[in-house]
Amino acid sequence: ILNVEQSPQSLHVQEGDSTNFTCSFPSSNFYALHWYRWETAKSPEALFVMTLNGDEKKKGRISATLNTKEGYSYLYIKGSQPEDSATYLCAFIRGGAQKLVFGQGTRLTINP
Amino acid sequence: DTGVSQNPRHKITKRGQNVTFRCDPISEHNRLYWYRQTLGQGPEFLTYFQNEAQLEKSRLLSDRFSAERPKGSFSTLEIQRTEQGDSAMYLCASSLARNTYYGYTFGSGTRLTVV
Repeated sequence: ILNVEQSPQSLHVQEGDSTNFTCSFPSSNFYALHWYRWETAKSPEALFVMTLNGDEKKKGRISATLNTKEGYSYLYIKGSQPEDSATYLCAFIRGGAQKLVFGQGTRLTINP
Repeated sequence: DTGVSQNPRHKITKRGQNVTFRCDPISEHNRLYWYRQTLGQGPEFLTYFQNEAQLEKSRLLSDRFSAERPKGSFSTLEIQRTEQGDSAMYLCASSLARNTYYGYTFGSGTRLTVV
């Protein structure tokens, strides 16, 4: 059984504050890790696809890091804005597999 | 191309009825995936197609569930004799093979409520 765990499950942050959350995945037989943002009533949207140990990716105020040896990834949001309110999903693909295995998500709410 | 399209957006059905959902992927994507998401959980894999071939099916999928992708274009997911436990968001996604650069493109999902 492949377990992908995300923490925390939910988070309330004041507008303007920075925040981060974690995705843990199996450290053996790694192929890729994806991060998605899913706003209510919309489609999950790909944020990052990470494949190499030590990868750091950035899109605007959002960035992510990857440690495949210890099996974790962090997502950081700098200067949170109300439009950042969403569920953030990470998903793992192991070597030889053809499908993403998702964590349960972190629901982020930005308080104005 | 306007992305991945799913229909209907919402479906309410009585227990025991059959339902069918449709997914239209991005036209040049050869892979199509179905996932199911229930409250408080992440999306769970159901099945995937490469072109018209169904290559993997989750053990979660009972024999009441069937999916097709005729001619490698749109896909349908049918649930026969629906049960209350089938209530969930059904998500479709498409991609180009094992595209590691852009991720999957998801539709907005079909929310099924079985009463």
